Amino acid sequence: AQSVAQPEDQVNVAEGNPLTVKCTYSVSGNPYLFWYVQYPNRGLQFLLKYITGDNLVKGSYGFEAEFNKSQTSFHLKKPSALVSDSALYFCAVRDTGFQKLVFGTGTRLLVSP
Amino acid sequence: GAVVSQHPSRVICKSGTSVKIECRSLDFQATTMFWYRQFPKKSLMLMATSNEGSKATYEQGVEKDKFLINHASLTLSTLTVTSAHPEDSSFYICSALPTGGAYEQYFGPGTRLTVT
Repeated sequence: AQSVAQPEDQVNVAEGNPLTVKCTYSVSGNPYLFWYVQYPNRGLQFLLKYITGDNLVKGSYGFEAEFNKSQTSFHLKKPSALVSDSALYFCAVRDTGFQKLVFGTGTRLLVSP
Repeated sequence: GAVVSQHPSRVICKSGTSVKIECRSLDFQATTMFWYRQFPKKSLMLMATSNEGSKATYEQGVEKDKFLINHASLTLSTLTVTSAHPEDSSFYICSALPTGGAYEQYFGPGTRLTVT
Protein backbone atom coordinates (compact mmCIF):
# COMPACT_ATOMS: atom_id res chain seq x y z
CA ALA A 1 0.00 0.00 0.00
CA GLN A 2 1.12 3.52 -0.72
CA SER A 3 1.61 6.03 2.06
CA VAL A 4 3.09 9.46 2.58
CA ALA A 5 4.29 11.06 5.78
CA GLN A 6 4.75 14.75 6.38
CA PRO A 7 6.16 14.84 9.90
CA GLU A 8 5.73 18.56 10.50
CA ASP A 9 2.32 20.14 10.94
CA GLN A 10 3.86 23.57 10.58
CA VAL A 11 7.15 25.06 9.46
CA ASN A 12 8.10 28.60 10.41
CA VAL A 13 10.77 30.50 8.54
CA ALA A 14 11.80 34.11 8.18
CA GLU A 15 11.55 35.79 4.81
CA GLY A 16 14.78 35.45 2.86
CA ASN A 17 15.87 32.29 4.67
CA PRO A 18 15.93 28.88 3.03
CA LEU A 19 13.00 26.57 3.68
CA THR A 20 12.55 22.82 3.74
CA VAL A 21 9.29 20.92 3.99
CA LYS A 22 9.80 17.23 4.66
CA CYS A 23 8.15 14.25 3.02
CA THR A 24 8.79 10.53 3.16
CA TYR A 25 6.91 7.88 1.25
CA SER A 26 6.27 4.18 0.95
CA VAL A 27 5.31 2.35 -2.24
CA SER A 28 5.70 -1.16 -3.51
CA GLY A 29 6.98 -0.19 -6.95
CA ASN A 30 8.69 2.86 -8.36
CA PRO A 31 7.22 6.08 -7.01
CA TYR A 32 5.85 9.02 -8.84
CA LEU A 33 6.13 11.92 -6.39
CA PHE A 34 4.39 15.28 -6.37
CA TRP A 35 4.19 18.49 -4.41
CA TYR A 36 1.08 20.65 -4.39
CA VAL A 37 0.32 23.94 -2.64
CA GLN A 38 -3.06 25.07 -1.36
CA TYR A 39 -4.03 28.63 -0.50
CA PRO A 40 -7.04 29.24 1.80
CA ASN A 41 -10.36 28.10 0.35
CA ARG A 42 -8.75 27.14 -2.92
CA GLY A 43 -7.92 23.94 -4.74
CA LEU A 44 -4.43 22.54 -5.05
CA GLN A 45 -1.83 23.96 -7.39
CA PHE A 46 0.79 21.68 -8.89
CA LEU A 47 4.35 22.65 -7.97
CA LEU A 48 6.60 19.87 -9.24
CA LYS A 49 6.97 16.17 -9.78
CA TYR A 50 9.57 13.41 -9.86
CA ILE A 51 8.99 10.61 -12.32
CA THR A 52 12.45 9.45 -13.30
CA GLY A 53 15.88 10.83 -14.09
CA ASP A 54 17.66 13.59 -12.24
CA ASN A 55 17.03 13.40 -8.51
CA LEU A 56 16.77 17.18 -8.18
CA VAL A 57 13.64 18.52 -9.78
CA LYS A 58 12.78 22.17 -10.19
CA GLY A 59 9.27 23.48 -10.19
CA SER A 60 7.12 26.56 -10.05
CA TYR A 61 7.82 29.70 -8.01
CA GLY A 62 11.45 28.78 -7.36
CA PHE A 63 10.69 25.55 -5.51
CA GLU A 64 12.71 22.40 -5.94
CA ALA A 65 12.71 18.93 -4.43
CA GLU A 66 15.23 16.18 -4.12
CA PHE A 67 14.33 12.55 -4.57
CA ASN A 68 16.33 10.30 -2.27
CA LYS A 69 15.61 6.65 -2.93
CA SER A 70 17.65 5.24 -0.05
CA GLN A 71 15.89 7.47 2.46
CA THR A 72 12.54 7.27 0.63
CA SER A 73 12.28 11.03 0.90
CA PHE A 74 11.19 13.85 -1.35
CA HIS A 75 11.76 17.07 0.60
CA LEU A 76 10.58 20.38 -0.82
CA LYS A 77 13.06 23.26 -0.73
CA LYS A 78 13.43 26.87 -1.67
CA PRO A 79 16.64 28.91 -1.26
CA SER A 80 14.92 32.13 -0.18
CA ALA A 81 11.41 32.17 1.26
CA LEU A 82 8.82 34.82 0.51
CA VAL A 83 5.91 35.87 2.72
CA SER A 84 3.65 34.94 -0.19
CA ASP A 85 4.88 31.33 0.06
CA SER A 86 2.83 30.98 3.24
CA ALA A 87 0.30 28.24 2.47
CA LEU A 88 -0.50 24.57 3.00
CA TYR A 89 1.81 22.15 1.20
CA PHE A 90 0.94 18.59 0.31
CA CYS A 91 3.26 15.82 -0.75
CA ALA A 92 1.66 13.01 -2.77
CA VAL A 93 2.76 9.69 -4.19
CA ARG A 94 1.44 7.56 -6.99
CA ASP A 95 2.58 3.97 -7.42
CA THR A 96 3.56 2.82 -10.90
CA GLY A 97 0.55 1.35 -12.65
CA PHE A 98 -1.96 3.21 -10.51
CA GLN A 99 -3.69 6.50 -11.15
CA LYS A 100 -4.69 7.34 -7.60
CA LEU A 101 -2.69 9.83 -5.60
CA VAL A 102 -2.11 9.32 -1.91
CA PHE A 103 -1.59 12.55 -0.03
CA GLY A 104 0.30 13.37 3.11
CA THR A 105 -1.44 15.23 5.90
CA GLY A 106 -0.09 18.57 4.78
CA THR A 107 2.41 21.03 6.25
CA ARG A 108 1.51 24.61 6.90
CA LEU A 109 4.33 26.94 5.95
CA LEU A 110 4.42 30.30 7.65
CA VAL A 111 6.93 32.82 6.38
CA SER A 112 7.32 35.84 8.60
CA PRO A 113 8.41 39.26 7.32
CA GLY B 1 -2.95 25.63 -19.67
CA ALA B 2 -4.37 22.74 -17.60
CA VAL B 3 -7.22 24.65 -15.98
CA VAL B 4 -9.99 22.90 -14.09
CA SER B 5 -13.12 24.72 -13.02
CA GLN B 6 -15.77 23.83 -10.49
CA HIS B 7 -19.26 25.16 -10.19
CA PRO B 8 -20.63 26.35 -7.89
CA SER B 9 -17.81 27.62 -5.72
CA ARG B 10 -20.10 27.82 -2.73
CA VAL B 11 -23.55 26.38 -2.08
CA ILE B 12 -25.92 26.30 0.85
CA CYS B 13 -28.76 23.80 0.81
CA LYS B 14 -31.34 22.46 3.22
CA SER B 15 -31.27 18.99 4.72
CA GLY B 16 -32.91 16.44 2.50
CA THR B 17 -32.26 18.23 -0.76
CA SER B 18 -29.76 17.28 -3.45
CA VAL B 19 -26.99 19.39 -4.84
CA LYS B 20 -24.93 18.95 -7.99
CA ILE B 21 -21.32 20.05 -8.37
CA GLU B 22 -19.72 20.28 -11.80
CA CYS B 23 -16.07 19.78 -12.61
CA ARG B 24 -14.77 20.80 -16.02
CA SER B 25 -11.38 20.57 -17.66
CA LEU B 26 -11.25 23.75 -19.71
CA ASP B 27 -8.32 23.27 -22.04
CA PHE B 28 -7.66 19.56 -22.07
CA GLN B 29 -9.47 16.26 -22.17
CA ALA B 30 -9.61 14.03 -19.16
CA THR B 31 -10.66 10.41 -19.35
CA THR B 32 -10.22 10.19 -15.60
CA MET B 33 -11.30 12.63 -12.94
CA PHE B 34 -11.23 12.33 -9.19
CA TRP B 35 -13.43 13.63 -6.40
CA TYR B 36 -11.99 14.49 -3.02
CA ARG B 37 -13.37 15.71 0.24
CA GLN B 38 -11.37 17.91 2.56
CA PHE B 39 -12.20 18.56 6.19
CA PRO B 40 -10.89 21.66 7.97
CA LYS B 41 -7.15 21.53 8.46
CA LYS B 42 -7.08 18.00 7.12
CA SER B 43 -5.71 16.27 4.11
CA LEU B 44 -7.70 15.28 1.07
CA MET B 45 -9.78 12.14 1.19
CA LEU B 46 -10.33 10.48 -2.16
CA MET B 47 -14.00 9.68 -2.58
CA ALA B 48 -14.11 8.19 -6.04
CA THR B 49 -12.43 7.86 -9.40
CA SER B 50 -14.59 8.92 -12.30
CA ASN B 51 -13.97 7.41 -15.73
CA GLU B 52 -15.57 8.80 -18.87
CA GLY B 53 -18.31 6.56 -20.14
CA SER B 54 -18.20 4.06 -17.30
CA LYS B 55 -19.19 3.72 -13.69
CA ALA B 56 -17.19 5.48 -11.03
CA THR B 57 -15.00 3.54 -8.65
CA TYR B 58 -15.73 4.46 -5.06
CA GLU B 59 -13.32 4.27 -2.16
CA GLN B 60 -14.15 2.10 0.79
CA GLY B 61 -16.68 3.69 3.08
CA VAL B 62 -18.07 6.13 0.50
CA GLU B 63 -21.76 5.57 -0.22
CA LYS B 64 -22.22 5.40 -3.97
CA ASP B 65 -25.97 5.95 -3.72
CA LYS B 66 -25.42 9.13 -1.76
CA PHE B 67 -22.61 10.56 -3.82
CA LEU B 68 -23.63 10.07 -7.45
CA ILE B 69 -20.90 10.61 -9.99
CA ASN B 70 -21.41 11.01 -13.71
CA HIS B 71 -18.62 11.47 -16.26
CA ALA B 72 -20.52 11.92 -19.48
CA SER B 73 -17.83 13.61 -21.54
CA LEU B 74 -14.07 14.00 -21.66
CA THR B 75 -14.31 17.43 -20.07
CA LEU B 76 -17.11 17.13 -17.52
CA SER B 77 -17.72 15.15 -14.37
CA THR B 78 -20.51 15.83 -11.89
CA LEU B 79 -20.93 14.92 -8.25
CA THR B 80 -24.45 14.93 -6.86
CA VAL B 81 -24.89 14.81 -3.11
CA THR B 82 -28.31 13.28 -2.60
CA SER B 83 -30.50 13.78 0.46
CA ALA B 84 -27.87 16.00 1.99
CA HIS B 85 -27.35 16.11 5.74
CA PRO B 86 -25.37 18.60 7.83
CA GLU B 87 -22.54 16.07 8.17
CA ASP B 88 -22.09 16.26 4.39
CA SER B 89 -20.98 19.87 4.80
CA SER B 90 -17.42 20.01 3.55
CA PHE B 91 -15.04 21.30 0.91
CA TYR B 92 -15.27 19.15 -2.21
CA ILE B 93 -12.42 19.27 -4.71
CA CYS B 94 -12.19 17.61 -8.09
CA SER B 95 -9.12 16.88 -10.15
CA ALA B 96 -8.53 15.80 -13.72
CA LEU B 97 -5.83 13.64 -15.22
CA PRO B 98 -5.09 14.71 -18.80
CA THR B 99 -5.66 11.99 -21.36
CA GLY B 100 -2.56 10.70 -23.04
CA GLY B 101 -0.13 9.73 -20.34
CA ALA B 102 0.21 12.78 -18.13
CA TYR B 103 1.42 12.09 -14.61
CA GLU B 104 0.06 14.98 -12.59
CA GLN B 105 -3.53 15.71 -11.75
CA TYR B 106 -4.87 19.24 -12.05
CA PHE B 107 -7.24 20.43 -9.39
CA GLY B 108 -10.33 22.55 -9.42
CA PRO B 109 -10.74 25.46 -6.99
CA GLY B 110 -13.14 23.53 -4.78
CA THR B 111 -16.79 23.81 -3.75
CA ARG B 112 -17.80 24.71 -0.23
CA LEU B 113 -21.02 22.86 0.62
CA THR B 114 -23.01 23.88 3.69
CA VAL B 115 -26.09 21.86 4.60
CA THR B 116 -28.45 23.55 7.03
